Amino acid sequence: QQQVRQSPQSLTVWEGETAILNCSYEDSTFDYFPWYHQFPGESPALLIAIRPVSNKKEDGRFTIFFNKREKKFSLHIADSQPGDSATYFCAASANTGKLTFGDGTVLTVKP
Amino acid sequence: EAAVTQSPRNKVTVTGGNVTLSCRQTNSHNYMYWYRQDTGHGLRLIHYSYGAGNLQIGDVPDGYKATRTTQEDFFLLLELASPSQTSLYFCASSDDNSDYTFGSGTRLLVI
Repeated sequence: QQQVRQSPQSLTVWEGETAILNCSYEDSTFDYFPWYHQFPGESPALLIAIRPVSNKKEDGRFTIFFNKREKKFSLHIADSQPGDSATYFCAASANTGKLTFGDGTVLTVKP
Repeated sequence: EAAVTQSPRNKVTVTGGNVTLSCRQTNSHNYMYWYRQDTGHGLRLIHYSYGAGNLQIGDVPDGYKATRTTQEDFFLLLELASPSQTSLYFCASSDDNSDYTFGSGTRLLVI
């Protein structure tokens, strides 16, 4: 049973558009929800994270929206740039330090 | 500079061979993890550890052993390597808040 589901598998947007990446989860005990990005040939790196005390977290052009009732969270990348092209992973953990990752979304931003 | 260092970067072995992947972190983190990354599957947790001498089983442990000899060092052992274990392996460390620092990865090919 996959604990964290991510969609879409791939996404293409034009430069300047907002990219929206989605995740859902099963385990109600999850209480930490980060997003990682990974550029080709590199290791994943933390981009932004949220705890469910709030339903929104912003960091520059990156925003997480969190819906506890529906067990969903999404990453919005505003004013997308070609340099944002990467694979994005959502993840979740339940007070154990252990992250469960989604399968990833390959984002391509066309100039 | 705090870091997670993996070795070797690349490894080729034959089916049935014995392989040890090494990971050292200088972050003073308690938690360390081994993940494998395969196209279409994202990052899947093999084993993890809360500290020296501690070992926890992850989501895809079959065919793998691990050992945490010190706070800094975490090893992944494949005692009878199979072609299905051909993958990109990442080690990571974290403190209690779940923010991971990943190593650069080890690409393993089992022929």
